[in-house]
Amino acid sequence: DTGVSQNPRHKITKRGQNVTFRCDPISEHNRLYWYRQTLGQGPEFLTYFQNEAQLEKSRLLSDRFSAERPKGSFSTLEIQRTEQGDSAMYLCASSFTGGNEKLFFGSGTQLSVL
Amino acid sequence: AQKVTQAQTEISVVEKEDVTLDCVYETRDTTYYLFWYKQPPSGELVFLIRRNSFDEQNEISGRYSWNFQKSTSSFNFTITASQVVDSAVYFCALSEGRGSTLGRLYFGRGTQLTVWP
Repeated sequence: DTGVSQNPRHKITKRGQNVTFRCDPISEHNRLYWYRQTLGQGPEFLTYFQNEAQLEKSRLLSDRFSAERPKGSFSTLEIQRTEQGDSAMYLCASSFTGGNEKLFFGSGTQLSVL
Repeated sequence: AQKVTQAQTEISVVEKEDVTLDCVYETRDTTYYLFWYKQPPSGELVFLIRRNSFDEQNEISGRYSWNFQKSTSSFNFTITASQVVDSAVYFCALSEGRGSTLGRLYFGRGTQLTVWP
């Protein structure tokens, strides 16, 4: 499978715990995005990497959220001290320069904070 | 303010009927891009089409067609002879032009399409 891969598919955690999600983009894609989708809503942009550089962060990305893409390949999204409002589907997408903003999305990580 | 409005929350049709999904967008940019994505129950968003603001030609791809009208800021999507496999949530999205992050899409809330056999 050469698509965007996200792990885990589901994560259940207790409020206050830290969680980390991983995204493996399509190998030749230099751009990587994180989006968040809550029930009944469209995805909302969180952050964007070009290679290893994090170039933009949405105001939705509070201080408890941190994303990395250490070698310009896979990326991780960590949420510290989770809150019930963090419950959502976290989607990763990738694209390549000159790809006309066509994003390829992964299947997402569904986070439930109890 | 919502940049992309999909007024239809849910639509149900019977197989072989035609169905149109509405999308209205709002932007001050003269250069922008419009997209439609399909999200089946598996959750993965599937790209359907990208259209830039300078190309108002309508497009047809098999049973799918798109009607872009700048005068009404609309980018509607029609499925002809719908099939059960078309059942999914469909999202319209906007990417603004110069000065904006490429790939930063503003999505509508989606339209849940159910096609009954």
